[in-house]
Amino acid sequence: SAVISQKPSRDICQRGTSLTIQCQVDSQVTMMFWYRQQPGQSLTLIATANQGSEATYESGFVIDKFPISRPNLTFSTLTVSNMSPEDSSIYLCSAPTANSYNEQFFGPGTRLTVL
Amino acid sequence: GQQLNQSPQSMFIQEGEDVSMNCTSSSIFNTWLWYKQDPGEGPVLLIALYKAGELTSNGRLTAQFGITRKDSFLNISASIPSDVGIYFCAGNVNQAGTALIFGKGTTLSVSS
Repeated sequence: SAVISQKPSRDICQRGTSLTIQCQVDSQVTMMFWYRQQPGQSLTLIATANQGSEATYESGFVIDKFPISRPNLTFSTLTVSNMSPEDSSIYLCSAPTANSYNEQFFGPGTRLTVL
Repeated sequence: GQQLNQSPQSMFIQEGEDVSMNCTSSSIFNTWLWYKQDPGEGPVLLIALYKAGELTSNGRLTAQFGITRKDSFLNISASIPSDVGIYFCAGNVNQAGTALIFGKGTTLSVSS
């Protein structure tokens, strides 16, 4: 199984500011995924981050609001820009591994509260 | 888009009871996964299923990939207090580690 870490684990931010979330995988992976989990809800995919190319965003999510970087095969960042209280959620990154093919492992999540 | 219907939404059971939850999809899936999420944590993979009809166990957990490839169930036998949490089904329609579609979750409460 992959070991995925995220930083920060939680943050409380002011409206209008931005927060960058980091995700580190302990092995090289082609794809990494960013999900949002709103309070009491299921996980919704924000975007797929491929190394060496632009991220692919799902309907309802745009690059200006959620810019993503993928500088190498073990690391990605998600920025939540110009935050509003509606952005208060848990943000999770995940990655499949070469050994597990379609099995995806998740980081512990970043719990964001926007005031 | 594809949707997963997961039921029940919540369950309240006594320690020692067996539990069953299921998911159905509007599309054929190539992979079914079952996750558990504890408060303040990310989802943890419990069981992965790859073939129609496949039945797989992980300790007291058993999951099956439906013959029609549009459904899956998860059973937990002899529940214990640490089984408390939210269980999510997830699946994808493509190969090679593509993004997952998640069910809405089943919240399990176990009283001792």
